[in-house]
Amino acid sequence: DSGVTQTPKHLITATGQRVTLRCSPRSGDLSVYWYQQSLDQGLQFLIQYYNGEERAKGNILERFSAQQFPDLHSELNLSSLELGDSALYFCASSVERQGTQYFGPGTRLLVL
Amino acid sequence: KNQVEQSPQSLIILEGKNCTLQCNYTVSPFSNLRWYKQDTGRGPVSLTIMTFSENTKSNGRYTATLDADTKQSSLHITASQLSDSASYICVVSLYSGAGSYQLTFGKGTKLSVIP
Repeated sequence: DSGVTQTPKHLITATGQRVTLRCSPRSGDLSVYWYQQSLDQGLQFLIQYYNGEERAKGNILERFSAQQFPDLHSELNLSSLELGDSALYFCASSVERQGTQYFGPGTRLLVL
Repeated sequence: KNQVEQSPQSLIILEGKNCTLQCNYTVSPFSNLRWYKQDTGRGPVSLTIMTFSENTKSNGRYTATLDADTKQSSLHITASQLSDSASYICVVSLYSGAGSYQLTFGKGTKLSVIP
């Protein structure tokens, strides 16, 4: 158990819908990262927040957005969902901006 | 273009044998290199982190090496166990300015350890 929690574990929705994935970092960690992993694909970095501020942006679509709240939990919002958005979405946290990242168990999203 | 290439794509070895996984990168400016282990359907787990000045780092039966001149890293697993079956991912961090860092992920090497 990494100490990072993600909810929900599984999510099934239809194309065109909007969903929100939630992540609670380890206690004391200020950095939160979001990743997407499609079937048989490598991890794709989406976005990083540090203490509430966006710090780095990867291959995140405009239909996706994220934020980190004052209590340091983070949410990833996915809108106008397409079939290709079906994937595992991981959240990770670290103490610093560059520290070891601890990954959560992931949210498996299926878009039908 | 910043890239991380891993080889082989997949590997099957007998339990108890050693193996070495390779990672070549073109990321610049380099900050650090990490190796992760990811079991199927689970989140990756950090094995090692190495900065520019470190040549080798061990974590139990896992030993990572780094040659910053040739931009190559390897992960050596000794006395493999069935539980080592997983994907091993090489990740390179680069400094992107203004206190920000970007991570570039390799596609991973899928290791299968068989009895």
